[in-house]
Amino acid sequence: EVQLVESGGGLVQPGGSLRLSCAASGFTFSSYSMNWVRQAPGKGLEWVSSISSSSTYIYYADSLKGRFTISRDNAKNSLYLQMNSLRAEDTALYYCVAYSSSSSAFDIWGQGTMVTVSS
Amino acid sequence: QSALTQPRSVSGSPGQSVTISCTGTSSDVGGYNYVSWYQQHPGKAPKLMIYDVSKRPSGVPDRFSGSKSGNTASLTISGLQAEDEADYYCCSYAGSHTWVFGGGTKLTVL
Repeated sequence: EVQLVESGGGLVQPGGSLRLSCAASGFTFSSYSMNWVRQAPGKGLEWVSSISSSSTYIYYADSLKGRFTISRDNAKNSLYLQMNSLRAEDTALYYCVAYSSSSSAFDIWGQGTMVTVSS
Repeated sequence: QSALTQPRSVSGSPGQSVTISCTGTSSDVGGYNYVSWYQQHPGKAPKLMIYDVSKRPSGVPDRFSGSKSGNTASLTISGLQAEDEADYYCCSYAGSHTWVFGGGTKLTVL
C-alpha cells in the first residue's frame, strides 16, 4: 500500500522550533520529488517547500523567509521539515506530498501532522 | 505568490453539472499547462482529480473534466452525485520551481 505518514507535530511557543518527519512506504521514494504543503485551520492549501529526488534542488515559498529547512534520507525513505522561529501564522496541518513528474502534480498525500504555535 | 482565485462556494442538484473556476495570472495559470485539481472531503487529505489542465488519473470518473482559457482554469463535474460534495482546490505551477493553490471552493450537492 502506498503510504506517507507524518509525525512530529504538536504545540510550540512562538519563537520555538519543531522538526516534522514523514515516512514513506509502498513506492520508490528515492524516485520522487517530495514536498510539504500546509493548511491552516479552516483555510486553503499552501505549498511550503520541495526537494528533488537526490536532494540536489530545494525550493521554498517566499513567505517562509529562511525559517524552514527541508531535507530527506532516501536510505530511510524519510522526509523532514525543520521549522525555526515559529509564528502563530505557522499554525496548520502539514502534509507530506509526493510529486509525480509524469503527471506534474501532487500525486500522493499523507494524512498530515498538526502544528500549533501558541503561548 | 498570491493565491489563485476560486469562488467560495458552488452548488448543484444530483445529475446536474457544475463548473468551478480558478483565475490566476500570466505568471501561473496562463503561463503553464501545469494546472491540477484536488478534492478534499472533511477531515481527509486532498486527492488528485485532474492534472496537466485536463488529464484524469486512473480511477477518477470521467464525470470530472478540466480545461483552461487564458488565465482561467475550470473544473467541470457532470452528473453530480452526493459523494462529490467536498472542497475543491486548483493548483498551478508559478515558475521558479514554486506552486500556488487556489483558496478552495465548497461544492454542495443539494
